[in-house]
Amino acid sequence: DQQVKQNSPSLSVQEGRISILNCDYTNSMFDYFLWYKKYPAEGPTFLISISSIKDKNEDGRFTVFLNKSAKHLSLHIVPSQPGDSAVYFCAARYQGAQKLVFGQGTRLTINP
Amino acid sequence: DAGVIQSPRHEVTEMGQEVTLRCKPISGHDYLFWYRQTMMRGLELLIYFNNNVPIDDSGMPEDRFSAKMPNASFSTLKIQPSEPRDSAVYFCASRRRGARDTQYFGPGTRLTVL
Repeated sequence: DQQVKQNSPSLSVQEGRISILNCDYTNSMFDYFLWYKKYPAEGPTFLISISSIKDKNEDGRFTVFLNKSAKHLSLHIVPSQPGDSAVYFCAARYQGAQKLVFGQGTRLTINP
Repeated sequence: DAGVIQSPRHEVTEMGQEVTLRCKPISGHDYLFWYRQTMMRGLELLIYFNNNVPIDDSGMPEDRFSAKMPNASFSTLKIQPSEPRDSAVYFCASRRRGARDTQYFGPGTRLTVL
C-alpha cells in the first residue's frame, strides 16, 4: 500500500521553463513533507521541506506547495537548469515519528 | 567529514548465497536507516536504529533479512539466502538527533542476485 505516490515516473522540461513535480499522499497523519534529489550513482540529498501548518515554502529557485485538503504537494523549479536533471523523491513523516515514507520518484530531464 | 560510507558499491551474487552490506554512519549521528530502492516501490525503509538499538524493523521483507548495529560507527544488513527479487539498490542513511530534515544518505550498494 503506497502511502506516498508520485504518479509521473518521468518529466521532460525545456531549460529556463518551470518544472512542476507532483506528489499525493493518503494518510492525513503526515505532518511534515520533504523533497530529496538524487543523481545517478549517488545517494539522495535533502532539497526542501514544508510543515503541515504551512502551504508554501520557498528556497531560491525551489518552492514547495502543500494542499492539505487534496492531500497533494508539488515542487516548482523556476527557472529549470540542466543541473536539475535528477530523480526527485517526495517523502512524508508522521507526527512525532522518526522515519520517512518515500514515493517512487520522478526522473526530471532538463533539455537545453 | 567523509559522509556516510557504504561497501561494497556493487555486489553480484548467485541465488542462495549470503550477502552482507556494510555501512559507516557520520560520526555523532544517533539514527541509522536502511532503505531499499526499486523501480516499482521507490525508496522503502527496511529498518532503523537509534543509538545502536533497532527501533522499527517493520519494513524488513522477510526473515531472510537481518540487520545489526554492534556499535555507533558500523552497521550491517545481511540477506541469507539471497533471491533474484532482492536485486535493488540498498542505501544507508544517518541523522543527528533533532535534525528532522536531514537524513544523510550513503552512495548505495547495487545488489544483483543471479
